[in-house]
Amino acid sequence: GENVEQHPSTLSVQEGDSAVIKCTYSDSASNYFPWYKQELGKGPQLIIDIRSNVGEKKDQRIAVTLNKTAKHFSLHITETQPEDSAVYFCAEWHSGGGADGLTFGKGTHLIIQP
Amino acid sequence: EPEVTQTPSHQVTQMGQEVILRCVPISNHLYFYWYRQILGQKVEFLVSFYNNEISEKSEIFDDQFSVERPDGSNFTLKIRSTKLEDSAMYFCASNTGLKETQYFGPGTRLLVL
Repeated sequence: GENVEQHPSTLSVQEGDSAVIKCTYSDSASNYFPWYKQELGKGPQLIIDIRSNVGEKKDQRIAVTLNKTAKHFSLHITETQPEDSAVYFCAEWHSGGGADGLTFGKGTHLIIQP
Repeated sequence: EPEVTQTPSHQVTQMGQEVILRCVPISNHLYFYWYRQILGQKVEFLVSFYNNEISEKSEIFDDQFSVERPDGSNFTLKIRSTKLEDSAMYFCASNTGLKETQYFGPGTRLLVL
């Protein structure tokens, strides 16, 4: 079955520094990898996603990299700000195999220290 | 910007009671999903729904659960006889196609006593 491992579970960085969260997956059929940000008491909000035909994607301070050979993908946040503090979830999806839903990692609690 | 909405935001119920959680997906979306998040844990897929029928369901989605779209607008999750372990946040999501981005609602916090 699908499995997504996410590390670290908690990450504390100084405001202005960069944060990196890593995920690995087990199913080689995985072809879509979104990252969601979840603030306290709210639903997951998509912040960036990447598909398997692309190695890197960037949106302002946020970037995602994908290494299909190694089956891992990472979220990079540069110039972190206090409002970046939240729980971040990676997820994967693949077509076919009866897997309509996303498979999520366990989440990373990102803390931005002022 | 269109968004997924869910009601109620919080629900407290007694064990054994039935609950219905409601969702209004984004209007032009075709696929609808329910996910569950037990406190402090990851988000887990429950069920997907397309063309007025269940497309796929996980092992969590047993006979106590059912979904329907009664009026072409609301998408509901019913738990027939709630158990203590059903206490969780329940999120609805929708998208335009299986390969497309899933947009999540704010969730319903269910507490079973």
